[in-house]
Amino acid sequence: DAGITQSPRYKITETGRQVTLMCHQTWSHSYMFWYRQDLGHGLRLIYYSAAADITDKGEVPDGYVVSRSKTENFPLTLESATRSQTSVYFCASRQGMNTEAFFGQGTRLTVV
Amino acid sequence: DQQVKQNSPSLSVQEGRISILNCDYTNSMFDYFLWYKKYPAEGPTFLISISSIKDKNEDGRFTVFLNKSAKHLSLHIVPSQPGDSAVYFCAASDAGNQFYFGTGTSLTVIP
Repeated sequence: DAGITQSPRYKITETGRQVTLMCHQTWSHSYMFWYRQDLGHGLRLIYYSAAADITDKGEVPDGYVVSRSKTENFPLTLESATRSQTSVYFCASRQGMNTEAFFGQGTRLTVV
Repeated sequence: DQQVKQNSPSLSVQEGRISILNCDYTNSMFDYFLWYKKYPAEGPTFLISISSIKDKNEDGRFTVFLNKSAKHLSLHIVPSQPGDSAVYFCAASDAGNQFYFGTGTSLTVIP
């Protein structure tokens, strides 16, 4: 299916465990982003990537790791999950500057 | 520090009337602005955008206005419909790669 997909949709993990959220887009968009949505904070940027093998930190990168070996994939890893990382995570992609971003359906992560 | 602010967490409007959602920003380097709509348990979907070289952009029932001197953005929905009930986020970007989002306004359109 064309578009941007995230997996899993829901995940419960324990404190201290490593967890990876997957993001895949079929448009060959150059830019990809990871956001988290929390009440009272809106959408905050975690990491973004301008192209394969190019990544950069956003507003709230601590505790997260990303990679982008292929243009279509942009996984987000929580190396040692904490309760404060309980959130809804959105992946997005855009073709270039001054274009809209398209979002995935989100992953609801609960850290217990 | 929040560079994009939506000061009204919620808004209720009667069906058929105009909905006006507001957004303020602090960074004068922002040159591209967008509005997104979000339903529960779904990702945000793009609604409308405007470049800083314009002051208005229309798309059907949706119009975005940009006042650069006031650093203010607004979205007008007319006429409002019950299906418009959702959370609306404004976003802005500069010459860099990032979007900066507001905290959202929850719109309820009352039938």
